[in-house]
Amino acid sequence: AQSVTQLGSHVSVSEGALVLLRCNYSSSVPPYLFWYVQYPNQGLQLLLKYTSAATLVKGINGFEAEFKKSETSFHLTKPSAHMSDAAEYFCAVIGVNAGNMLTFGGGTRLMVKP
Amino acid sequence: EAGVTQFPSHSVIEKGQTVTLRCDPISGHDNLYWYRRVMGKEIKFLLHFVKESKQDESGMPNNRFLAERTGGTYSTLKVQPAELEDSGVYFCASSSWTSSFGTGELFFGEGSRLTVL
Repeated sequence: AQSVTQLGSHVSVSEGALVLLRCNYSSSVPPYLFWYVQYPNQGLQLLLKYTSAATLVKGINGFEAEFKKSETSFHLTKPSAHMSDAAEYFCAVIGVNAGNMLTFGGGTRLMVKP
Repeated sequence: EAGVTQFPSHSVIEKGQTVTLRCDPISGHDNLYWYRRVMGKEIKFLLHFVKESKQDESGMPNNRFLAERTGGTYSTLKVQPAELEDSGVYFCASSSWTSSFGTGELFFGEGSRLTVL
């Protein structure tokens, strides 16, 4: 069984500040890990994914995430927040042999202050 | 190319009534998924179709929920009779088999918000 924990349901940063959204996972097998973003009134959009290649993954809109097996973490970062980054972010995991059944974390709503 | 479309975007019904949600996947996508997010909780898997067949329906909460996928194209999710705890956002997602198996590259719709009073 696998699970995902996102620390902080709400995160607030100032425009231009570092964005750090935390995600820890548990999985009995090497996982595939993902970050999805949901902008207001839109569907979930894939931001980036880790599929056992490079541990530092770059995604769209300047976001990146680093897979750390020893810490079972896959935190999402962006060096400088932009107002347009305000959205809800979801970390998700698939275990090998689980088809495409994603297990999601609870989501983190990112607010960006001017 | 059109994305995943869901209808209605918002439905308000009374307890005991019936609601049918529809999902049109991206054309050519054999895989179709339903997920649900109850307020304040995680997005939870409901079921997975491959073409018209149910591949995995382990997440369906009870027999008040019925999902169909006619001819392997669009899908419907019927809730009958609806209960208060069924309120939430129902997401549909689709993927093409060869490009996304095991990689989770699902394309999501905007969701259908269901409110049961």
